[in-house]
Amino acid sequence: KAGVTQTPRYLIKTRGQQVTLSCSPISGHRSVSWYQQTPGQGLQFLFEYFSETQRNKGNFPGRFSGRQFSNSRSEMNVSTLELGDSALYLCASSSGTSYNEQFFGPGTRLTVL
Amino acid sequence: QKEVEQDPGPLSVPEGAIVSLNCTYSNSAFQYFMWYRQYSRKGPELLMYTYSSGNKEDGRFTAQVDKSSKYISLFIRDSQPSDSATYLCAMSASGGSYIPTFGRGTSLIVHP
Repeated sequence: KAGVTQTPRYLIKTRGQQVTLSCSPISGHRSVSWYQQTPGQGLQFLFEYFSETQRNKGNFPGRFSGRQFSNSRSEMNVSTLELGDSALYLCASSSGTSYNEQFFGPGTRLTVL
Repeated sequence: QKEVEQDPGPLSVPEGAIVSLNCTYSNSAFQYFMWYRQYSRKGPELLMYTYSSGNKEDGRFTAQVDKSSKYISLFIRDSQPSDSATYLCAMSASGGSYIPTFGRGTSLIVHP
């Protein structure tokens, strides 16, 4: 069974731009969660989507948004990028019934210049 | 004070040692406790998942939860160089509304 895939793996943007990251969950998984990981703040929960609906949301500004498609693939968008948005963005998939058993993808490394 | 505290290390031990990794937390509502291992340039991998208090063992790994002390531990027996990674603890208050809170991670180095 294929694991969680994320594209692109690396991305460089400049301040003020926007960016879209993609995540394909494990086949059959309906829940996709997004996280931001930085050296300063560690791993922080952004939001979770289940069956195309945002089910949980962390404490991030509205510049961070996401969506999920009918095939469970998910995208995350960050608008008006700031230098502090430089981070590793991870997505994780689960069946949605056992939320604490998540499988993470390799992440997208975003650098904002 | 962060909700979850974890010593970042690094923790350096010789091969074969017993490793103890710990987290403390302040939110008494936490019911689910997880340990993840993260290798460099990889996403975290779930190692152990425990509900409420008690011990759970899986091979060389043992997770302990003491809710009265708000303290969780992960023990690694017979540590191997391949165990060298960052270990993250995570907790959530309810399985129905899963918003996990992570520790900052402890870097473990097992030298031959």
